[in-house]
Amino acid sequence: EPEVTQTPSHQVTQMGQEVILRCVPISNHLYFYWYRQILGQKVEFLVSFYNNEISEKSEIFDDQFSVERPDGSNFTLKIRSTKLEDSAMYFCASSEEKFEAFFGQGTRLTVV
Amino acid sequence: AQTVTQSQPEMSVQEAETVTLSCTYDTSESDYYLFWYKQPPSRQMILVIRQEAYKQQNATENRFSVNFQKAAKSFSLKISDSQLGDAAMYFCAYWGHGSGNTGKLIFGQGTTLQVKP
Repeated sequence: EPEVTQTPSHQVTQMGQEVILRCVPISNHLYFYWYRQILGQKVEFLVSFYNNEISEKSEIFDDQFSVERPDGSNFTLKIRSTKLEDSAMYFCASSEEKFEAFFGQGTRLTVV
Repeated sequence: AQTVTQSQPEMSVQEAETVTLSCTYDTSESDYYLFWYKQPPSRQMILVIRQEAYKQQNATENRFSVNFQKAAKSFSLKISDSQLGDAAMYFCAYWGHGSGNTGKLIFGQGTTLQVKP
């Protein structure tokens, strides 16, 4: 069964460093998303991406964040100059139809 | 703005018994979808069941069913014959056509389900 794949599963980085979280969406999907879950809290929307551009972003998704689909298969989330409060689980999701997202297994980001 | 509320932070059920998880939502849209996602200790988000608001019939998937009350804006999840593998955090989520092209999901706070052997 097709699935969304995220790498790495766990990333530890020093405060102020840049990180890139990678995702391979399901191949025929057109809509791509990043969500964040701070430990013990609810899942929060960060950004949606369609037709090679951002279609919506939340207030969390400030200039520190960027997304890219560099090669038609990968979908990346870059966090510049990480802060302690960026520590969270980051989920990539994709969907063929807008309303049914399939999630990856997540990348746990720890900023020290 | 749409909101999703799960008022039960934790629930427990005896193995083989039935449990119901509650979810309420607020929206002014008439066309939307509601979902239940399961998050086991591995923390992956797994789609359990989906309900389309324009369908009156409650969705079912094997041991999982929903009670969708559109007027009351309530969307509960019933798990029958609970199994140890059902232990997880369950999230209720909303998607509305007002989201346009974005497909953004709005999640509730989650309910942690414990299954006792």
